[in-house]
This record gives sequence, structure tokens and C-alpha cells, in this order.
Amino acid sequence: DTGVSQNPRHKITKRGQNVTFRCDPISEHNRLYWYRQTLGQGPEFLTYFQNEAQLEKSRLLSDRFSAERPKGSFSTLEIQRTEQGDSAMYLCASSLAGGGLDEQFFGPGTRLTVL
Amino acid sequence: AQRVTQPEKLLSVFKGAPVELKCNYSYSGSPELFWYVQYSRQRLQLLLRHISRESIKGFTADLNKGETSFHLKKPFAQEEDSAMYYCALSGAGQNFVFGPGTRLSVLP
Repeated sequence: DTGVSQNPRHKITKRGQNVTFRCDPISEHNRLYWYRQTLGQGPEFLTYFQNEAQLEKSRLLSDRFSAERPKGSFSTLEIQRTEQGDSAMYLCASSLAGGGLDEQFFGPGTRLTVL
Repeated sequence: AQRVTQPEKLLSVFKGAPVELKCNYSYSGSPELFWYVQYSRQRLQLLLRHISRESIKGFTADLNKGETSFHLKKPFAQEEDSAMYYCALSGAGQNFVFGPGTRLSVLP
């Protein structure tokens, strides 16, 4: 296990198309997070799973965004009807909950460009 | 609402000089504060958190609730400290809020 992996690393799509990203967390980690990062900004929290349950979702998250973690392992983030404003780096992180001191380990990110 | 501000986008210091990266936050409850670092071509990684009260790579950060600050300090900067630094806050739940980041450049 070499850490959190994300696929694809880069995605270019046309406005209006749907895209799906995948995140594979560190195997024993039960928490998984999705963030979005635009140029010059820090990561912006999108949603969080504990095992297969989606426990928190940002109020900023449009209805076009949906995330799943069906078996409590890998997760997918889908963006429907993409817009140019969705262009960003999408980061996934995972952690092992316990003792309140769980550290998030980040993946390399998926860079989305919407033309 | 949770908010994190980092007033400096870029901070340049000479090797061996002290460095302080500023972070201020707003949160009505008891926050947990973190510093994350991203070195060139590497992933974002945790540097330190206030609850651990530890020193990592010579860096320390003290939570000042009165000033709502969590500044990151190092007495003698090294060239390998050059990176992007993000301050982050976690309040209730697992909703993490990151600041915009400060790029530290340590000059030889």
C-alpha cells in the first residue's frame, strides 16, 4: 500500500459532460474526505464518509455533485453537467478514526479542466 | 461560521533567519488547529497540530485563543523548508476549513 491513490490524474472535458473520479484510500482507513482546490486557495471541504456512510456534506456542494463509498473502501465523486467553474484540483484524503487524533493522508489529486 | 485567514501569500526569508507564518481563525467553539505543508511536487501532508504540542522539523505553533491565532514559527529557516503552508481548522464534526496558504521561500 503506497498511500491514497486517485484516478484519473488529469481529466479534460467539455461543458455539460459528466465526469467521475475515483479515490482508493489507505486500506485500513475508515474515514474518507473529498476536497476541491482552485488556484491560489486552500482545499475546500466537499464531503466526508465514515465507512460507507456519508456523514457530512458541504452546503456549498451543488446538487450536480454526488459521492459514494458503497463498500466502505474506494469512493467515487461524480459531477454532472460540468461547468467551467468546476475546473479545479479534486483531492481525496483518508484517515483512521480513533482517539480523536486521526491524521488525514492526502492523495495526489485529480485535475479537472472543463472547456 | 468557521474561517481561517493567512494574511501573507508569499514570505521570503534568508537561510538561518527566523520565520513566522501567521494564521488567524474565527470559530465560536473549541477548535482543533493544524498546519499542513506541501513541498514541490509532493502531496499535502500534516506538519503539526496544536493538540499534540510537539515540534516537527523545528517548527512549533501555539494556539492563542485570546487572539484567535495559531502562528507557525521556526527559529532558523532552512532551504528545505521552502513550501506551501496551509493552516486548517476543525470544529464540530469533520468539516475541515483550510486557509488560502502562504508560500515560504527560504533564500540561500
